[in-house]
Amino acid sequence: EPEVTQTPSHQVTQMGQEVILRCVPISNHLYFYWYRQILGQKVEFLVSFYNNEISEKSEIFDDQFSVERPDGSNFTLKIRSTKLEDSAMYFCATLGARTDTQYFGPGTRLTVL
Amino acid sequence: AQTVTQSQPEMSVQEAETVTLSCTYDTSESDYYLFWYKQPPSRQMILVIRQEAYKQQNATENRFSVNFQKAAKSFSLKISDSQLGDAAMYFCAYFPRGNQFYFGTGTSLTVIP
Repeated sequence: EPEVTQTPSHQVTQMGQEVILRCVPISNHLYFYWYRQILGQKVEFLVSFYNNEISEKSEIFDDQFSVERPDGSNFTLKIRSTKLEDSAMYFCATLGARTDTQYFGPGTRLTVL
Repeated sequence: AQTVTQSQPEMSVQEAETVTLSCTYDTSESDYYLFWYKQPPSRQMILVIRQEAYKQQNATENRFSVNFQKAAKSFSLKISDSQLGDAAMYFCAYFPRGNQFYFGTGTSLTVIP
């Protein structure tokens, strides 16, 4: 069964540094999402992406965040200047044409020191 | 406002017994999907079961079944013959078609040998 993959599985960075989290969606899926889960809390929506542009974003997704699909396969989330509170699990999810189930990647654990 | 409420932060069940996890949601939509996801200590989001709102029949997947009450906006998960491997966080999620997922705060399930 096709699956969403994410790299790296764990990223440790210093506060103020830039990080890029990568996701490889399921082939032929058209909608892409990033979610965040701070330890012990619920999963929160960050942004959705369709047709090479952001379709929706939450209030969490401020100017420090950006997304792109640079090469038609990877879907990336960039955090320009990380803060301690950005430490969380980041999940990528993709949606196919049936638009009834999002498939989640295994997540990237980001630790900001 | 789209909200998902899981009123049981923690639940426990004896191995081989049955447990029911509660979930309620608030929406004005008529076409949507509901999900239960399992999150083990690895923190990966694993799809347990999916329910389409337009279907009156409750979804079942082996030992997992739901009690979907559309009018009451209730979507509970029943786990039969509980196994040690069922121990995890369980998240209820509401998905209006083509939109983002809205997650509840989760229920931590402990299975007692």
